[in-house]
Amino acid sequence: AQSVTQPDIHITVSEGASLELRCNYSYGATPYLFWYVQSPGQGLQLLLKYFSGDTLVQGIKGFEAEFKRSQSSFNLRKPSVHWSDAAEYFCAVGASGTYKYIFGTGTRLKVLA
Amino acid sequence: NAGVTQTPKFQVLKTGQSMTLQCAQDMNHNSMYWYRQDPGMGLRLIYYSASEGTTDKGEVPNGYNVSRLNKREFSLRLESAAPSQTSVYFCASSDSGAGDLEQYFGPGTRLTVT
Repeated sequence: AQSVTQPDIHITVSEGASLELRCNYSYGATPYLFWYVQSPGQGLQLLLKYFSGDTLVQGIKGFEAEFKRSQSSFNLRKPSVHWSDAAEYFCAVGASGTYKYIFGTGTRLKVLA
Repeated sequence: NAGVTQTPKFQVLKTGQSMTLQCAQDMNHNSMYWYRQDPGMGLRLIYYSASEGTTDKGEVPNGYNVSRLNKREFSLRLESAAPSQTSVYFCASSDSGAGDLEQYFGPGTRLTVT
């Protein structure tokens, strides 16, 4: 069965520091992988997605993620965090031919000034 | 474009009351979804509609019904609300629903059942 694990419930970083949010998935075939961001009181916005090809994908707001098949991971990174990045981040996995995403439980990011 | 819109934004119900959450999208998407979001549980799929005229159960369909009114609109109905249905509800849409395309989310409806 498909599953997505985000091991970190909360992460706190200082503004300007680098960030890595972890995501591990379980799926038999090559999955379609997504990172979404949710600002307080808002809906989810897509940051980036991976379908195939280059394993390092670039997204909006300076985020990137790397697909590592051997580790079943799709970690989200940003070299220098801004205070406006404080939000909740969700990793999700989908599969071709299905209509369902599986979302992780989310990681809440706090940014210290 | 407004994208995905949801009404109402907030709602308080008493146990046993019914209500319908409305969702509309103006992106000509084929597929639409209803999720609920609860603390520590991420988003869980309630129902989805792969295309106009079809609906299917998701992970947590009990206590809910849906109607795909037309290509634009997908409503979620609670027939007899229970406190366990206190949650934030999100509607989403995507172009094909084949799992490979991004979903676009509405701003959510915060529902409290007392």
